Amino acid sequence: QAQLVESGGGVVQPGGSLRLSCVASGFTFSTYGIHWVRQSPGKGLEWLAVTSYDGSNDYYVDSVKGRFTISRDNSRSTVYLQMNSLRSEDTALYFCAKDLTLPAPKFPLDYFYGMDVWGPGTTVIVS
Amino acid sequence: SSELTQDPAVSVALGQTVTITCRGDRLKSYYPSWYQYRPGQAPLLVFYSKNNRPSGIPDRFSGSTSGNTASLTITGALAEDEADYYCCSRDSSANHVLFGGGTRLTVL
Repeated sequence: QAQLVESGGGVVQPGGSLRLSCVASGFTFSTYGIHWVRQSPGKGLEWLAVTSYDGSNDYYVDSVKGRFTISRDNSRSTVYLQMNSLRSEDTALYFCAKDLTLPAPKFPLDYFYGMDVWGPGTTVIVS
Repeated sequence: SSELTQDPAVSVALGQTVTITCRGDRLKSYYPSWYQYRPGQAPLLVFYSKNNRPSGIPDRFSGSTSGNTASLTITGALAEDEADYYCCSRDSSANHVLFGGGTRLTVL
């Protein structure tokens, strides 16, 4: 059964850094794009970033571009989200999600149909 | 506009049919995906593309798109369907993915 599990959340001061991890199991990790999505308190879901199946291409929402970096290690079936210059508005529950597009495109949003496997999330508090 | 607009809240009587809508220019070009979300839990994909329901999702969930409006319909709503529902689509002009603001469904 396909599964994703996030970790690395915690409490950090404004301006600080945190690295989130997302470990996959139950599917061929290296053939799918992976997204990060967050939900801030009282707000809706917000897409943050996506990495291609091989990590060669990635895209970001404007609000995190230049501060967050998505990367992956296919040998470890893990995707990371390095978060720098954290702000209070980054306080949220962070999810990783598997893109369901197969075959996965080299440029991860050339074809996008949805995200079919999600982790339970990890909480980041910037305070 | 690159936004996806959803009504904030909708209610339905138990066993009745409810439609949740999502509006946006991007829907003229791309089919959305729909997610059921209970705060604090993992979102669940319930419908995607023109006519696809993931394995395990009951067939009371269906979707359609016309012009700039997409709809998720729940036929015979159950108490367990009470949740927030989000539409989602790509925004090719910015290489982004967009979520609608979400619709809170209450089953009366």
